[in-house]
Amino acid sequence: DAKTTQPPSMDCAEGRAANLPCNHSTISGNEYVYWYRQIHSQGPQYIIHGLKNNETNEMASLIITEDRKSSTLILPHATLRDTAVYYCIVRVFGNQFYFGTGTSLTVIP
Amino acid sequence: GAGVSQSPSNKVTEKGKDVELRCDPISGHTALYWYRQSLGQGLEFLIYFQGNSAPDKSGLPSDRFSAERTGGSVSTLTIQRTQQEDSAVYLCASSPDPAGMYTQYFGPGTRLTVL
Repeated sequence: DAKTTQPPSMDCAEGRAANLPCNHSTISGNEYVYWYRQIHSQGPQYIIHGLKNNETNEMASLIITEDRKSSTLILPHATLRDTAVYYCIVRVFGNQFYFGTGTSLTVIP
Repeated sequence: GAGVSQSPSNKVTEKGKDVELRCDPISGHTALYWYRQSLGQGLEFLIYFQGNSAPDKSGLPSDRFSAERTGGSVSTLTIQRTQQEDSAVYLCASSPDPAGMYTQYFGPGTRLTVL
C-alpha cells in the first residue's frame, strides 16, 4: 500500500475549520483514502473514506485532489473534543491498514 | 449494541513469561485485526483474519508472537517469552465485511507492561 505523509502536529482555534493535509503521491488507482482519529487512551475511530470523489459525512469532509496525490480532511467547526491524532491511510480493499504516526491536532479554546 | 471488547485491560508480566490477550469482535464481523501501539507511536499492524481464509501474519515481529481465531469469532494473541520491548498497547479491531471495505471498529486495547 502507498505511504502517506502528514505534518506531525497542528493547532486549530475552537469553532474554526481544521484542515488536515495528507500527501500520498504514490497512490495507485485501486487504493482508497481512509481517515481515522485516536483520542488519547482510546482505540482509533473511523472518520471517513473515499476513492476519488469528495466525500462528506456527519463528522467531516474529505477533499481528494484530481490527481489523487493528496487529500485534506476538513473538520468544519472544531471543538475541544476533536483534539486527537489523525491518521491518513491509503489501502487496497482486502489488505491490512497501515497507520503512520499521524497528525496530532490540538484544538485551542 | 456491544462493541469490540478486549481482556485484560492491563497486564503486567515478568520478562520471559508467556501472555495471552483476548479479543471479542462484534458479532457477525468477519474480519479481525491485531495492532500494537508503543508509547508515542502510531499503530503497527500485526495480523489480519478474514473469514475462513489463512490469516495474514506479515506484521508479526517475531516467532514469539502468534494468534488464532476460533470459530470465526474470538481471537487470542499469544506472546511467548515476553521481552521488555513487547510493552505496548495491543489493539484489536473487527470489520463487518471480508474485504474490510467498511470501517474498522476498535476495542479499548490491552496495555501490556513487561518488567
